[in-house]
Amino acid sequence: DVKVTQSSRYLVKRTGEKVFLECVQDMDHENMFWYRQDPGLGLRLIYFSYDVKMKEKGDIPEGYSVSREKKERFSLILESASTNQTSMYLCAILPDTYNSPLHFGNGTRLTVT
Amino acid sequence: KQEVTQIPAALSVPEGENLVLNCSFTDSAIYNLQWFRQDPGKGLTSLLLIQSSQREQTSGRLNASLDKSSGRSTLYIAASQPGDSATYLCAVWEYGNKLVFGAGTILRVKS
Repeated sequence: DVKVTQSSRYLVKRTGEKVFLECVQDMDHENMFWYRQDPGLGLRLIYFSYDVKMKEKGDIPEGYSVSREKKERFSLILESASTNQTSMYLCAILPDTYNSPLHFGNGTRLTVT
Repeated sequence: KQEVTQIPAALSVPEGENLVLNCSFTDSAIYNLQWFRQDPGKGLTSLLLIQSSQREQTSGRLNASLDKSSGRSTLYIAASQPGDSATYLCAVWEYGNKLVFGAGTILRVKS
């Protein structure tokens, strides 16, 4: 079974801090995604990666960057955290083709004060 | 731009009732439609995936249908139980390699 691990369940950071959110998979899947989830807005795609060092912007990439140096790890970086980035962040993996279901981690609840 | 809408936003039913959750999407150029469940403070769990060439999928007490031409899907839950209480999200995998989500339906099943 696909296992997706997000390193932190809860994080509290201050405005202006650089924040790293980590996502690790236990297999060799190529496609990894970062979403944020806000009440009433559903999940919105921030960035995705289809291989090592490859990345594509999603719908809301502003204020974020990503890093994928190894296949199993996909990091989301908030360059200078702001209060409007307070949200639930979800990492997901696509194990096979697009006709396989997405597998999600348990999420990181980030609060920026 | 693809938009996915879920109705109702929230639903409260007594235990044992059969219920239907609705999902609509604006662009029929999709590979598949997926239904997920999310428990409070947790990630999403896949329930059912319907490929664009299929009309429905079933898993236990869950049945999901897809009418691609009209841009609609329904998730039918039979004999609801308190353990079914969660948020249910639908999403469409559109051409262009992106999964677009609805905002979800919050379901509460009362014992």
